[in-house]
Amino acid sequence: QVQLQESGPGLVKPLGTLSLICDVSGDSIYNDWWWSWVRQPPGKGLEWIGEIHHSGRTHYNPSLKSRVTISIGNSNNQFSLNVDSVTAADTAVYFCARDSSGRYSLGHWGQGTLITVSS
Amino acid sequence: EIVLTQSPGTLSLSPGERATLSCRASQRVNSMYLAWYQQKVGQAPRLLIYGTSSRATGIPDRFSGSGSGTDLTLTISRLEPEDSAVYYCQQWGGSPLYTFGQGTKLEIK
Repeated sequence: QVQLQESGPGLVKPLGTLSLICDVSGDSIYNDWWWSWVRQPPGKGLEWIGEIHHSGRTHYNPSLKSRVTISIGNSNNQFSLNVDSVTAADTAVYFCARDSSGRYSLGHWGQGTLITVSS
Repeated sequence: EIVLTQSPGTLSLSPGERATLSCRASQRVNSMYLAWYQQKVGQAPRLLIYGTSSRATGIPDRFSGSGSGTDLTLTISRLEPEDSAVYYCQQWGGSPLYTFGQGTKLEIK
């Protein structure tokens, strides 16, 4: 059973860079899946950030594309998220996820990690 | 962008009753590209339904999905207290690739 676990700094200063790692177990990042990041501001709904395939192909949410980079980890079974020039509006719980067997939905999720942007 | 609008915003029902949750897309979406999630407080979303009407692994048959075109429905029969959660619909294929509805909060009183 695939498991995903996010890790990150918890607190990021305004205008800094938010960096998160998703550790994957029970599956290989190099299998034919798409690996996503989704965020949820406190008390609000879900926003898809983007996804990556092991081939290096990526898709991003146009509203965030200029500030976001998703990449496959250099070691281990990981993928990562960087968000540049963060503001308070980037405060959210960030989830990593894997698509389902039939694509088109997100069948496996990490537990999420809260990132607060504050000085 | 394909906008998903869910109704009602909040639904309050009793155990044993049936819940009907609606989701309307701003444009027609292939039925294969529509899904439902359940999110309990403090937890990650859990996939319930994919392809409009197929239950994900381990989801009880009390949960069923239907719809076509621009209208999607999630029905939960024989409500249990553990069904209290926020439910989101989701589409794939537009720009952005995934969008979610704003959610329906289901309270079991």
